[in-house]
Amino acid sequence: AQSVTQLGSHVSVSEGALVLLRCNYSSSVPPYLFWYVQYPNQGLQLLLKYTTGATLVKGINGFEAEFKKSETSFHLTKPSAHMSDAAEYFCAVGDAGNMLTFGGGTRLMVKP
Amino acid sequence: GAGVSQTPSNKVTEKGKYVELRCDPISGHTALYWYRQSLGQGPEFLIYFQGTGAADDSGLPNDRFFAVRPEGSVSTLKIQRTERGDSAVYLCASSLNSGTSETQYFGPGTRLLVL
Repeated sequence: AQSVTQLGSHVSVSEGALVLLRCNYSSSVPPYLFWYVQYPNQGLQLLLKYTTGATLVKGINGFEAEFKKSETSFHLTKPSAHMSDAAEYFCAVGDAGNMLTFGGGTRLMVKP
Repeated sequence: GAGVSQTPSNKVTEKGKYVELRCDPISGHTALYWYRQSLGQGPEFLIYFQGTGAADDSGLPNDRFFAVRPEGSVSTLKIQRTERGDSAVYLCASSLNSGTSETQYFGPGTRLLVL
């Protein structure tokens, strides 16, 4: 069975600071990995995904994530936080089935 | 183009009542998914359709929950004899094809409150 752990249900950073949101997964087969963002009263929006190939994945809004198989991690980073980045972020894993398994989410707060 | 839409956006019902939640996927998307998101948690998989058939319903919590997609487009999630524990946001997603590497596009959800 697959699972996802997001360390830190709440993360607070100052505007302009580095954003680091942590995601660890377990999967019995090589996984597909996703980061989604959810703004209030809106649906989940895909930030980026890893399927195969290059382990450093670049997404929208300046976010990127690196797949590290040895650490079973897929942490999300952004060099400089913007106020508009305040939202909830979900890491998800998919493997043999068609469903996604999501982590519990991390709420990112950006201080001016 | 139009994204995934869900109606109603909010639904308040009383314990024991029957509710239907509707999902309109992106046009041309063959795969459709339902998830449930409880407060403070990530979405949890309920059921997946490929075309008209339910390819995987392993996430449905019990037989009070049922979903259909009769023409391979619009889907309806049906909940009988609602309980307070069914209160959650029900999310629908669609993807162009089936397969886990496919990007799932999510609707805004239906917020269900069972009193």
